[in-house]
Amino acid sequence: SQTIHQWPATLVQPVGSPLSLECTVEGTSNPNLYWYRQAAGRGLQLLFYSVGIGQISSEVPQNLSASRPQDRQFILSSKKLLLSDSGFYLCAWRKYGYTFGSGTRLTVV
Amino acid sequence: GENVEQHPSTLSVQEGDSAVIKCTYSDSASNYFPWYKQELGKGPQLIIDIRSNVGEKKDQRIAVTLNKTAKHFSLHITETQPEDSAVYFCAASIMTTNAGKSTFGDGTTLTVKP
Repeated sequence: SQTIHQWPATLVQPVGSPLSLECTVEGTSNPNLYWYRQAAGRGLQLLFYSVGIGQISSEVPQNLSASRPQDRQFILSSKKLLLSDSGFYLCAWRKYGYTFGSGTRLTVV
Repeated sequence: GENVEQHPSTLSVQEGDSAVIKCTYSDSASNYFPWYKQELGKGPQLIIDIRSNVGEKKDQRIAVTLNKTAKHFSLHITETQPEDSAVYFCAASIMTTNAGKSTFGDGTTLTVKP
């Protein structure tokens, strides 16, 4: 069966510090992968998606970037965090509906 | 692009009653409509979905209906239980284009009172 792993679960980072969130998928090959952000416990905003290694599409201009160095690995990064980057970050893969990871609660202080 | 509106934003029902959440979409090309349940502090979980060639789908106490002409779809939960309390999201997508990205509604917070 397919599983998705996302870490860390919680993160508190100072403004201006770098960020790296990692997501890996098991049990499937060449998955479509997605990063979403959820603010205030509601509303899922698509940040990036990837249909293959090295292929990244950005949905909104922002302080974040994404990379897909391996087939089942998807990384969300930032060089310098802003206060507005705080939120709940979700990785997902899909066949039909999404399968979401457990999320990372990021607080930028 | 696609726009999905979801109503109501909050819904409170007594245990055993039914709950209905409605969504409308704008892009007539959308052909896949999933519903997700999100419990506090967790990622959303797919609970039921429907494709555009089907008008209704049921899974135990949960059902989804789709009206393609009116471009709206609804989630129906019967015999609600306290464990049904969560935030529910609808979504719409075109499965064959743009990696099948989904556009989500803003969510409905369902509270089932014992």
